[in-house]
Amino acid sequence: DQQVKQNSPSLSVQEGRISILNCDYTNSMFDYFLWYKKYPAEGPTFLISISSIKDKNEDGRFTVFLNKSAKHLSLHIVPSQPGDSAVYFCAATDSWGKLQFGAGTQVVVTP
Amino acid sequence: GAVVSQHPSWVICKSGTSVKIECRSLDFQATTMFWYRQFPKQSLMLMATSNEGSKATYEQGVEKDKFLINHASLTLSTLTVTSAHPEDSSFYICSAFYRNNTEAFFGQGTRLTVV
Repeated sequence: DQQVKQNSPSLSVQEGRISILNCDYTNSMFDYFLWYKKYPAEGPTFLISISSIKDKNEDGRFTVFLNKSAKHLSLHIVPSQPGDSAVYFCAATDSWGKLQFGAGTQVVVTP
Repeated sequence: GAVVSQHPSWVICKSGTSVKIECRSLDFQATTMFWYRQFPKQSLMLMATSNEGSKATYEQGVEKDKFLINHASLTLSTLTVTSAHPEDSSFYICSAFYRNNTEAFFGQGTRLTVV
């Protein structure tokens, strides 16, 4: 039972443009959401998070939006850079701390 | 910032042998650590929750006798893959929560290849 879903397996975006990654969840008990970036053969790197009491969190080029009523969150990266090419995972957790991950979205930033 | 160190980063072992993977929180205490596994082109799958001073909690379908977890101190958890077989070849990652369970940090991961 996949509780966190990333329905787009891949995304191609031109350098300098905005990358928008989407994530949906089904468990209403989730109260904290995170985005991770992962390069091949490396552990995930934390990017940005958002608590369920907020609807937006911004950190540099990364902004996460949360729509609780729709059980949907998105990650915006602007402007996209070649070094952003990686797999991005959406994750969610409840107060127990277990992270549930989406399947990931492969982002490719082209020159 | 908080760092989780995982060792080794890669290991090749013969079928039937055991492999131990270490996960250390370097500058914070982690009462709970998590072990994940990732198969190629798939998401991270939680294997087990490692609790300091008590038995690990395994996810459904994960063999606790095959994947031994020990969390003997607040900064170290180990995962031992016993009697490894080629189908155990995968990428194993640990994580620990920091700042009252609001931020998780991950180890670098371990690439296990069983031949």
